[in-house]
Amino acid sequence: SQQGEEDPQALSIQEGENATMNCSYKTSINNLQWYRQNSGRGLVHLILIRSNEREKHSGRLRVTLDTSKKSSSLLITASRAADTASYFCATDADTGRRALTFGSGTRLQVQP
Amino acid sequence: GAGVSQSPSNKVTEKGKDVELRCDPISGHTALYWYRQSLGQGLEFLIYFQGNSAPDKSGLPSDRFSAERTGGSVSTLTIQRTQQEDSAVYLCASSYRGLGYGYTFGSGTRLTVV
Repeated sequence: SQQGEEDPQALSIQEGENATMNCSYKTSINNLQWYRQNSGRGLVHLILIRSNEREKHSGRLRVTLDTSKKSSSLLITASRAADTASYFCATDADTGRRALTFGSGTRLQVQP
Repeated sequence: GAGVSQSPSNKVTEKGKDVELRCDPISGHTALYWYRQSLGQGLEFLIYFQGNSAPDKSGLPSDRFSAERTGGSVSTLTIQRTQQEDSAVYLCASSYRGLGYGYTFGSGTRLTVV
């Protein structure tokens, strides 16, 4: 089963609105990362939040982490059409595997 | 180079043929990863290289898949006797030191087995 699972699977909003995506995971983690993917190609790293952090900001992005609930959220404020993409959370988990485990992603559509 | 480079960007091959996919990571990045992504799905881990350590091959789906990394830099993923279920986008990523740092992905190789 997926270590990270995003919710919702798809989201459609109007330009200027905020978009919130959630990620749940199962095992304890060292850090959690969010990535964006355009057109099914390479992913772009957005933000990394460590297990001892609760909130992090980067421009219009705000990420929260609740380790007690094993969940994270990504908020994009004042969305733009260019934010249309798939967003993935990825976990660095204490599983022995030294590679990130990715969820199945949230497809965000921002209508102009 | 400035980014992670993958070649070819697209590959169409006949079932049963062997294919080689190449990844040139960012200079100085010691960690290199291969993932694959089927249409509309998340990323499936394949293999991980870190410096001179033995690679983590635990994600390779069958013995038809192999990978090597020469000189701690360029990596080649080889798929022998390709099957239609191997069709996917194969993504390579590198990282400065591995976990604890973000990954930089290449644009991927879209493999189609016909």
